[in-house]
Amino acid sequence: GQNIDQPTEMTATEGAIVQINCTYQTSGFNGLFWYQQHAGEAPTFLSYNVLDGLEEKGRFSSFLSRSKGYSYLLLKELQMKDSASYLCAVSPSRWMDSSYKLIFGSGTRLLVRP
Amino acid sequence: GAVVSQHPSWVICKSGTSVKIECRSLDFQATTMFWYRQFPKQSLMLMATSNEGSKATYEQGVEKDKFLINHASLTLSTLTVTSAHPEDSSFYICSARRQSGLGAFFGQGTRLTVV
Repeated sequence: GQNIDQPTEMTATEGAIVQINCTYQTSGFNGLFWYQQHAGEAPTFLSYNVLDGLEEKGRFSSFLSRSKGYSYLLLKELQMKDSASYLCAVSPSRWMDSSYKLIFGSGTRLLVRP
Repeated sequence: GAVVSQHPSWVICKSGTSVKIECRSLDFQATTMFWYRQFPKQSLMLMATSNEGSKATYEQGVEKDKFLINHASLTLSTLTVTSAHPEDSSFYICSARRQSGLGAFFGQGTRLTVV
């Protein structure tokens, strides 16, 4: 089966750094995505990792270790607007496969406090 | 960037009626579209995958006769919730995959309330 785990909730302070972890066990692996979702809205793309290592994009960075089935999303210089749910998603199949789809974790609700 | 439009944004219907939700890729051809359902404070649950011109592939536990999916063109997929009941009330989100791209782009979502 497919299993993707994330913490349910996290709280952090404005201006601080927070790390959101994601572990996965899937039938295959062809990339891991992080999405941000504000309440009542659709998810928006944040990052994509397919090789081991750190991908940095502004205040957000994402790390992947395929051997450990582990990823994290690092948010720096937290702002109040970063309060949202963060979804980890894995693609078990290659993008060119007809069976391609994204499997989502349960999401982590992040609350940023002043 | 790629744009996916979902319509309507919200709908209220009476129990027993049917509701159609449209998902359009506005500036690219979507070989595959995905339909998700999301209950409050929960993550996205994949309902089905639809490829243009072929029957949708439903995830385990999703009733294909209740959730009718049609993907008649490379830019349009529809989800029809038939004989809706209050337990079908949820946030439905579509996403579309380009022929030559990774990941998928999401529509704005449709909040369905069945009364």
